[in-house]
Formats: sequence, structure tokens, C-alpha cells
Amino acid sequence: NAGVTQTPKFRVLKTGQSMTLLCAQDMNHEYMYWYRQDPGMGLRLIHYSVGEGTTAKGEVPDGYNVSRLKKQNFLLGLESAAPSQTSVYFCASSLTTDTQYFGPGTRLTVL
Amino acid sequence: GEDVEQSLFLSVREGDSSVINCTYTDSSSTYLYWYKQEPGAGLQLLTYIFSNMDMKQDQRLTVLLNKKDKHLSLRIADTQTGDSAIYFCVVAPGGSYIPTFGRGTSLIVHP
Repeated sequence: NAGVTQTPKFRVLKTGQSMTLLCAQDMNHEYMYWYRQDPGMGLRLIHYSVGEGTTAKGEVPDGYNVSRLKKQNFLLGLESAAPSQTSVYFCASSLTTDTQYFGPGTRLTVL
Repeated sequence: GEDVEQSLFLSVREGDSSVINCTYTDSSSTYLYWYKQEPGAGLQLLTYIFSNMDMKQDQRLTVLLNKKDKHLSLRIADTQTGDSAIYFCVVAPGGSYIPTFGRGTSLIVHP
């Protein structure tokens, strides 16, 4: 039982490049979330999903897109990366509206 | 929306007790959590309390909830160097998919 995994762990992009972050969970959770963590800012919700095929915007959705084609996977896309998107990205999942289980994070640097 | 405030830093001596405080604004918050983030890792649930409780004790951890003042605290008894981490206060209204995170308190334990 791997829990929540994230791919990749580290990535460096140039401004304007695109990339996709993959989150996978093997706990059959309905809810999945993408957060970004910046120093002194806590965690800010980017997008979330309450079930397969559904997505919704969080607090800071601009510049990001998501897809939840399969229940176990939640993808976060950056179409045209900007230096302001340099951050650590965390994926989380939960069975219902309770305890969230977090992945180990992806450290992204945009030059 | 919900606002969660916590101090950014706390420094204690090994063996002393640590108390991390949190205030929130939404009186309908039903689920209140403390998450721990060790350096370079994701967040892990440390403990939680429901809004119909005043106190919860779990080994070295004591959570106190003052609903009237919307104040939550986490006490760690006999603090060890391994407790050095960032502690996040997280609150969620009943039935909401979206928890609100505080900015996190960095606990530094020195010998």
C-alpha cells in the first residue's frame, strides 16, 4: 500500500515550458487535492476533485489545469511556466471530508 | 471565508513542554486538525479533535479546544529534538471539501 505518490520529485523548467505533475493514490479515495507551499504562506489550494471526472478551482488556480480521468490519478498541468510558479507542490487525497493523506511533494523551479 | 492564524516560530528546550496556538474565525468549523511536516517531507496527520470535544489526549500530545474563543492549542509534553518540524493547524466546516490551513508554526527544539 503505497498511499499517495507524486511524480516527479524534482523538476527545473525554463519560462514558457510546460509540464504535468502526476499524483496517484491506491486508497480508493474520492477526493483529491493539489496544493502549493511557499515559504511563510502555508498551503494554498490550487484545484481539487470530488470524484472521477470532476474538478474544481481552489484558491490559486490561475496558470494551472487539472484532470481526473481515473479515480486513482490526479494530474496538474502547467501550460506556460512562470518564475512565480516556483514552489513545492503537494498532492493529497481523502476518503470523505476528513483526514487528508499527503504525497511527498514535487519541488519545481522555473528559471 | 475561514481564516486560521498561528505564530510562525516557537523555540523550546529539550524536555520542556511546547504549546502551539491557533485561532480561527468560522464558528461552524467541525473538524480541527494538527498536521506535522518534517524537513523535506509531506504533511502527516498528528491528531485531530471534533468541535463537540473540549480536550483530547494522545500520549505526549494534548489538544485543547475553546469554541467560545475559537482557539485551538497543541501541547507536546517532554519535547524531543525529533519533534522539530512545522506544525499546521487545519480547520474544516462540516460537510466542506475544503480545509483551511494556517501558515504553520516552526518548532525548534534545542538541547
